[in-house]
Amino acid sequence: DSGVTQTPKHLITATGQRVTLRCSPRSGDLSVYWYQQSLDQGLQFLIQYYNGEERAKGNILERFSAQQFPDLHSELNLSSLELGDSALYFCASSPWTSGGVVEQFFGPGTRLTVL
Amino acid sequence: AQTVTQSQPEMSVQEAETVTLSCTYDTSENNYYLFWYKQPPSRQMILVIRQEAYKQQNATENRFSVNFQKAAKSFSLKISDSQLGDTAMYFCAFHGGKSTFGDGTTLTVKP
Repeated sequence: DSGVTQTPKHLITATGQRVTLRCSPRSGDLSVYWYQQSLDQGLQFLIQYYNGEERAKGNILERFSAQQFPDLHSELNLSSLELGDSALYFCASSPWTSGGVVEQFFGPGTRLTVL
Repeated sequence: AQTVTQSQPEMSVQEAETVTLSCTYDTSENNYYLFWYKQPPSRQMILVIRQEAYKQQNATENRFSVNFQKAAKSFSLKISDSQLGDTAMYFCAFHGGKSTFGDGTTLTVKP
């Protein structure tokens, strides 16, 4: 158990809908990362937040948005869903160190199925 | 932008033997970390080993070791005494200003 929690574990929805994925980082970790993993593929970095502010952006679609709240939990919002958005969405957290990202701790993922 | 390339989509090894997974990367950053993650069928991402780019000494964690060649931007993973539980997908990852993962290598350990 990494200490990172994600809800829900599974989500099934229809095209055109909007969903929200939730992530609670490990206690004390200020950084949260979101990744998308399509079937049998690598992880695509979506976005990183540090202490409530956006820190880095990857290949995140305009239909997707995220935020990190004062209690450090984060939400990833996916709207106008398409079949191709079906994937496993991971959240990871890391502590802040002056040397940069030493390690990311991954949650169990949310499996999104768009029908 | 940085890239991470894993040129071996699939590999197999006999139990108790040694296997090496390849990874090359490209970046203009000077300070970064490199990681190998394991993803078993449960899909959980598990850290296997990490390497600080500023360290010349190769990292070792029990049966897992890396061969880090900074000038060549190469970061291979060696698994010694392979076990059936090592069967998984292995991802090479770069963590610097942004995080980048390779496409993965599916490793099968055969009894």
